[in-house]
Amino acid sequence: GENVEQHPSTLSVQEGDSAVIKCTYSDSASNYFPWYKQELGKGPQLIIDIRSNVGEKKDQRIAVTLNKTAKHFSLHITETQPEDSAVYFCAARGEGAQKLVFGQGTRLTINP
Amino acid sequence: KAGVTQTPRYLIKTRGQQVTLSCSPISGHRSVSWYQQTPGQGLQFLFEYFSETQRNKGNFPGRFSGRQFSNSRSEMNVSTLELGDSALYLCASSLRGSTSPLHFGNGTRLTVT
Repeated sequence: GENVEQHPSTLSVQEGDSAVIKCTYSDSASNYFPWYKQELGKGPQLIIDIRSNVGEKKDQRIAVTLNKTAKHFSLHITETQPEDSAVYFCAARGEGAQKLVFGQGTRLTINP
Repeated sequence: KAGVTQTPRYLIKTRGQQVTLSCSPISGHRSVSWYQQTPGQGLQFLFEYFSETQRNKGNFPGRFSGRQFSNSRSEMNVSTLELGDSALYLCASSLRGSTSPLHFGNGTRLTVT
């Protein structure tokens, strides 16, 4: 089955700097890759997603890139702000599959 | 539009008891999935329902079960609770399931003592 690995497990950056979180997946049939942000006491919130027919997608300060050949995808956050501090999860889903397989999460801390 | 609503937010049960968790999906969403979140195992898929039918099930024992009603609301049940069942149980809904984004509720925190 699908396996998703996420790195790093913790990341600390200065406010205003960029943050990058990387994920690799094992199943070449996976075609949907969402990213979630989870704040304390809340459920994961979908922040951006990308499908396998697209190489990059951007939404304001957040962007995701996908390399299907290498089977990895990355989340880029620019101009980080204190409210970006949270745990971020990547996930992958195969065509026709009903379940998401999640990475282990990255705890991002933005230092003022 | 209201998000995914899960009740209750917190539950404390003792070993051997059973528990039922409830989930109301986003209006119009027909697919409901359940995930278990623990510090050690992360987010693990339990099962998914679409139009009252279970379409997929994760690798959990038969003590974990669920159902979906005609209004798309869903419940999950855990019988004969074990200490290891302590976790955050998350419900997520989507418009159609496998081709639609998943939106999560804030979860039910279950503690088994």
